[in-house]
Amino acid sequence: EPEVTQTPSHQVTQMGQEVILRCVPISNHLYFYWYRQILGQKVEFLVSFYNNEISEKSEIFDDQFSVERPDGSNFTLKIRSTKLEDSAMYFCASSDVGGLYTEAFFGQGTRLTVV
Amino acid sequence: SQQGEEDPQALSIQEGENATMNCSYKTSINNLQWYRQNSGRGLVHLILIRSNEREKHSGRLRVTLDTSKKSSSLLITASRAADTASYFCATDWVGNQFYFGTGTSLTVIP
Repeated sequence: EPEVTQTPSHQVTQMGQEVILRCVPISNHLYFYWYRQILGQKVEFLVSFYNNEISEKSEIFDDQFSVERPDGSNFTLKIRSTKLEDSAMYFCASSDVGGLYTEAFFGQGTRLTVV
Repeated sequence: SQQGEEDPQALSIQEGENATMNCSYKTSINNLQWYRQNSGRGLVHLILIRSNEREKHSGRLRVTLDTSKKSSSLLITASRAADTASYFCATDWVGNQFYFGTGTSLTVIP
C-alpha cells in the first residue's frame, strides 16, 4: 500500500540552527501539507502546497519556515533558525485531490527536538 | 475557530466492550474524518464521512454525522487491546486545511 514517508524519524538540533525535514508523498498525489503537534497538544496546520506554490498557510508558518518541492518526489520543510518552541512532531501529508472530499494520508512524523 | 472537539478526553474500557467517542465542530463542513494515533506515532486515516452522509461503516468502526447538531461519533465495536490509541476528528473548512480536535485517548484493558 502506498504511504507517505518522512525522514529522519527523530532530529535533535541546537537552537538557532537550520533544519530540513523531508517527506516523500504518495507518488500520484498533487497536494501536500505540513502539520505539527507539540507534545500533548492538538495537531496544527502549518501549510498546504499545490502546483509548486503555497496555497495556504497558518499563523505559525512565519518567515522562519519555508517549503519546497525540489524534485518530483520530495517535499521539504525548512526551519531557518530553530527555537526551543519549535520542538514538536512534524507530520507531512498528501492527497490526490483538494477540495470537498479530500482524504489526506499522513506520514509517521519527524520528532524535532531543539536544545 | 473551526476546530473539532472530541469528548471524552480519555476513555478506559475492557476488551470486548464498545467504545464511543464524540466530536463537535462549529461551522459548516464538507467532510469529517477520523484519525488514530498510536503513542508517539503518525496519524492513521480511519474513515471519511461526507456532509451528505449520515452513517458509514468500516470493519468494526461506525461513524455517524449529524450536521444539524454539528457533531459526529465514532463507535469501535468489540474493542481490542490494539485499539489503544488517541482518536482525532478532523474537519475541513475552506481550502485545503484540516482542523484537528484535541483527541480522545482510548485505553482498552486486556
